[in-house]
Amino acid sequence: AQTVTQSQPEMSVQEAETVTLSCTYDTSESDYYLFWYKQPPSRQMILVIRQEAYKQQNATENRFSVNFQKAAKSFSLKISDSQLGDAAMYFCAYITVETSGSRLTFGEGTQLTVNP
Amino acid sequence: NAGVMQNPRHLVRRRGQEARLRCSPMKGHSHVYWYRQLPEEGLKFMVYLQKENIIDESGMPKERFSAEFPKEGPSILRIQQVVRGDSAAYFCASSPWRSGGYNEQFFGPGTRLTVL
Repeated sequence: AQTVTQSQPEMSVQEAETVTLSCTYDTSESDYYLFWYKQPPSRQMILVIRQEAYKQQNATENRFSVNFQKAAKSFSLKISDSQLGDAAMYFCAYITVETSGSRLTFGEGTQLTVNP
Repeated sequence: NAGVMQNPRHLVRRRGQEARLRCSPMKGHSHVYWYRQLPEEGLKFMVYLQKENIIDESGMPKERFSAEFPKEGPSILRIQQVVRGDSAAYFCASSPWRSGGYNEQFFGPGTRLTVL
């Protein structure tokens, strides 16, 4: 079974600084997607960034980028120039593509605080 | 194009009552997923449905929980004889159908169930 582990329950960063959130996962499959979701106090799940496992290039979305290390099964999220609006719970998630219509498997989350 | 809609947003029930949570997928989406988020935890998969069909219910508790996605109308997650441990946020996601590959899931705002 696939598992996703986020070892940092809480992180904090100063506004305008950079922070990295860690995620590791376990799978025996070769083709899958990894995601970072943001959940602000409103509880809406917002997709931040997506990475396909067979793509070696790390995904980037504006101030958000990932460091995907497939052999190490590591998928960290870097937030540059942190803003107050980045404060939220961040979830790492995994989905296989070997079965269409599969479930997402989420980590336990990292609560990010941004200090002004 | 409206997103995934869930109602009610907040639901309060007393122990022993029934809870009905509704999810209307995005237009053109024929697949629905339900996830549960217990306090201070990540989202956990419950069930995956197509129209008139349960595809994967391996995450559903064996008793008191049921789900349906009729030909017409929203998907319903039903919890009978609720207990305090059912208090959680319940999220619905929908996806289109494409054979093979990854079908992106779009999340609704969630229903927060409180059992008194």
